[in-house]
Amino acid sequence: DTGVSQNPRHKITKRGQNVTFRCDPISEHNRLYWYRQTLGQGPEFLTYFQNEAQLEKSRLLSDRFSAERPKGSFSTLEIQRTEQGDSAMYLCASSRGMSGYNEQFFGPGTRLTVL
Amino acid sequence: RKEVEQDPGPFNVPEGATVAFNCTYSNSASQSFFWYRQDCRKEPKLLMSVYSSGNEDGRFTAQLNRASQYISLLIRDSKLSDSATYLCVVTPPGYSTLTFGKGTMLLVSP
Repeated sequence: DTGVSQNPRHKITKRGQNVTFRCDPISEHNRLYWYRQTLGQGPEFLTYFQNEAQLEKSRLLSDRFSAERPKGSFSTLEIQRTEQGDSAMYLCASSRGMSGYNEQFFGPGTRLTVL
Repeated sequence: RKEVEQDPGPFNVPEGATVAFNCTYSNSASQSFFWYRQDCRKEPKLLMSVYSSGNEDGRFTAQLNRASQYISLLIRDSKLSDSATYLCVVTPPGYSTLTFGKGTMLLVSP
């Protein structure tokens, strides 16, 4: 399968714990995006990378959230001291090229439940 | 005012019907426009880009009215497999990210 993959697919954690998600983009794609989606809402942008550089972060990305893409390939999203409001689907997408107009391909998402 | 607004629906239509969805966006300088489709518990997938001249892909027609800041999607001869949530998506000026509406749910029944 050459699509975007995300792991784990589901994560249940207790409030206050740290969690880390991984995204593997399509291999030739240099851009990688993180979005968050809650029930009844469209995806909301969190952050994106061009190769290993993090170029933009949403105001939704509080200081408890950190994302990395150390070698310009896979990316991780870490949430520290999770809160119940962090419960959501975390979607990763990737695209090729330098333009934001190129199609973004989404992974299946990681569903986070904070108890 | 939200950046991208859509009627959440659901729109319940019989097979074979024609259905239209509308979307408005707040930033007049927005540059790119798309419709994405999202099946239940699945990831969004690009359905079609939307151009000022309008564009058609089989049973699907998308139109953009920049003056009114309005985007539409028309689905003709609805199929059961068209049942999904349709997300209106805009790229703000100077940004490379996507701004999604809440989506419009379509249910096509036999």
